[in-house]
Amino acid sequence: AQSVAQPEDQVNVAEGNPLTVKCTYSVSGNPYLFWYVQYPNRGLQFLLKYITGDNLVKGSYGFEAEFNKSQTSFHLKKPSALVSDSALYFCANKAAGNKLTFGGGTRVLVKP
Amino acid sequence: NAGVMQNPRHLVRRRGQEARLRCSPMKGHSHVYWYRQLPEEGLKFMVYLQKENIIDESGMPKERFSAEFPKEGPSILRIQQVVRGDSAAYFCASSRETGGNTEAFFGQGTRLTVV
Repeated sequence: AQSVAQPEDQVNVAEGNPLTVKCTYSVSGNPYLFWYVQYPNRGLQFLLKYITGDNLVKGSYGFEAEFNKSQTSFHLKKPSALVSDSALYFCANKAAGNKLTFGGGTRVLVKP
Repeated sequence: NAGVMQNPRHLVRRRGQEARLRCSPMKGHSHVYWYRQLPEEGLKFMVYLQKENIIDESGMPKERFSAEFPKEGPSILRIQQVVRGDSAAYFCASSRETGGNTEAFFGQGTRLTVV
């Protein structure tokens, strides 16, 4: 069975500080991992993906994520958070059959 | 190139009525996926369709829910005899291909409220 976990419901960070949103996965076979962001009353926007290759993946809006096979993690990071980064973030794995299994989401609040 | 278009954005139905949610995929995309997001929860897969075919409906409730993606026109998610528990945001996504490295693009969702 495929599962993705986001252990933190909410992350609070001051503007300008580093932001980390945690994600761990449990999948059979190779993981295909994605991060999406959801702003209020909007759909999900793709941030980045890990398929194979370099463990550090760079994505949109200055975000990056580090794939760690030994820890089965794929944490999302941004060196310097902006107030506009406040949103709901979802980690997901693409399983066989092309469907995404999402984590429960982490709400990020960046305070000025 | 317009993104994934969903309509209506908001839909209010009384218990027992039917809800029809529409999704037009991005141009050139022939794979459509429907997800449901209950309040304060993550997205749950419902169904995966390719033109005129249902590929995977393992996430669809057994009764009252159906989906189609005809040769011409948008994909439709249909909920018959809605109940309050159907209140949720329903998101459609589309992709051009099915490979593991292909990302899906999401619409803005339809927020269904059953009163």
